[in-house]
Amino acid sequence: TQLLEQSPQFLSIQEGENLTVYCNSSSVFSSLQWYRQEPGEGPVLLVTVVTGGEVKKLKRLTFQFGDARKDSSLHITAAQTGDTGLYLCAGAPGNYQLIWGAGTKLIIKP
Amino acid sequence: NAGVTQTPKFQVLKTGQSMTLQCAQDMNHNSMYWYRQDPGMGLRLIYYSASEGTTDKGEVPNGYNVSRLNKREFSLRLESAAPSQTSVYFCASTVGTGRYGYTFGSGTRLTVV
Repeated sequence: TQLLEQSPQFLSIQEGENLTVYCNSSSVFSSLQWYRQEPGEGPVLLVTVVTGGEVKKLKRLTFQFGDARKDSSLHITAAQTGDTGLYLCAGAPGNYQLIWGAGTKLIIKP
Repeated sequence: NAGVTQTPKFQVLKTGQSMTLQCAQDMNHNSMYWYRQDPGMGLRLIYYSASEGTTDKGEVPNGYNVSRLNKREFSLRLESAAPSQTSVYFCASTVGTGRYGYTFGSGTRLTVV
């Protein structure tokens, strides 16, 4: 059974602080995807990383795919209240299904 | 751009009633999915359709049926609703095997009493 362990499950920090969310697995993925979900809405794709060691930046968000394509991290610099939400990672093994992390509920306090 | 459209947004059913959740996408995607999301359980795959004319079971298919009506539409049917099916249901679609990411609908919040 393929698993994707996401940590932390919950994070509450002050505006302006930095944070990192991790997704780890023992399985190799063809890609690792990060989504953000707000209350009452569906997940929205933020980024997909496909190459081992790849780093992608989306404004203050930096996404990295591990060299072995088994893990990924999301780093937010100088968090803002608008970053509040549920962050989900998902690994694509290449068989029409995704392996989902349990999610990180992020609260940024003003 | 409508993306993935789900109807209805909210529904309350009595135990034993049936209903169909509708999903349509306008992005010419070949693969479509139905998920349920419950607190503490994350996203769990119910059924998926890799292409028009095919459907496959996911992690939690019991109590559900699906129909891939055409390339655009993928419906989820609850034949005899149970309180355990109270959940938020999401439809998603993607190109190919989903390697580059899914597009999700805004969800249907279903309560079975």
